[in-house]
Amino acid sequence: AQSVTQLDSQVPVFEEAPVELRCNYSSSVSVYLFWYVQYPNQGLQLLLKYLSGSTLVESINGFEAEFNKSQTSFHLRKPSVHISDTAEYFCAVRRGYQKVTFGTGTKLQVIP
Amino acid sequence: EAQVTQNPRYLITVTGKKLTVTCSQNMNHEYMSWYRQDPGLGLRQIYYSMNVEVTDKGDVPEGYKVSRKEKRNFPLILESPSPNQTSLYFCASSLTGTGGISNTEAFFGQGTRLTVV
Repeated sequence: AQSVTQLDSQVPVFEEAPVELRCNYSSSVSVYLFWYVQYPNQGLQLLLKYLSGSTLVESINGFEAEFNKSQTSFHLRKPSVHISDTAEYFCAVRRGYQKVTFGTGTKLQVIP
Repeated sequence: EAQVTQNPRYLITVTGKKLTVTCSQNMNHEYMSWYRQDPGLGLRQIYYSMNVEVTDKGDVPEGYKVSRKEKRNFPLILESPSPNQTSLYFCASSLTGTGGISNTEAFFGQGTRLTVV
């Protein structure tokens, strides 16, 4: 069975500082990877996804994630965070035709 | 506007009283699913549907029922709610699904916070 591990349940960071949210997955075969963001009192929204091709994927609001097959990771990074980035972030993985499995989420708290 | 609409947003009920949470999408999506979100557990899939009249169990289906009589609607039914079903519920839809998953972007509803006392 596939699993997704987000080791950090909460990440506080000062505004304009860089941030990395970690995601590791367990799978011995090809996977498809996603990051979703959940703003307070809202549903989840797709932030970015890796299906194939370039291992570095970017979102429109400055986040990026790199698929690292050897380390089975898909960490999310942003060089300079804003207050508006305060949210909970979920990593998700799909292996082949299996269903999507979500991680337990990481709450990003941006401190003014 | 493309959206997934859940109702109600908040619900407090008593143990054993049947309830239904509705979910509707206006994007003509084939694939719909229900998740529950609990602290420290992330999102866990309850049921999913790959198309009209095609539904299957997710990871945590016990205590829940679903139906898919129309493409746009996918209600979640709790026949006899219990306190351990107190949770935040999300409905999601996407264009296609194969083997119980979505291979395109999933659109989520705003969530339904259910409390069973």
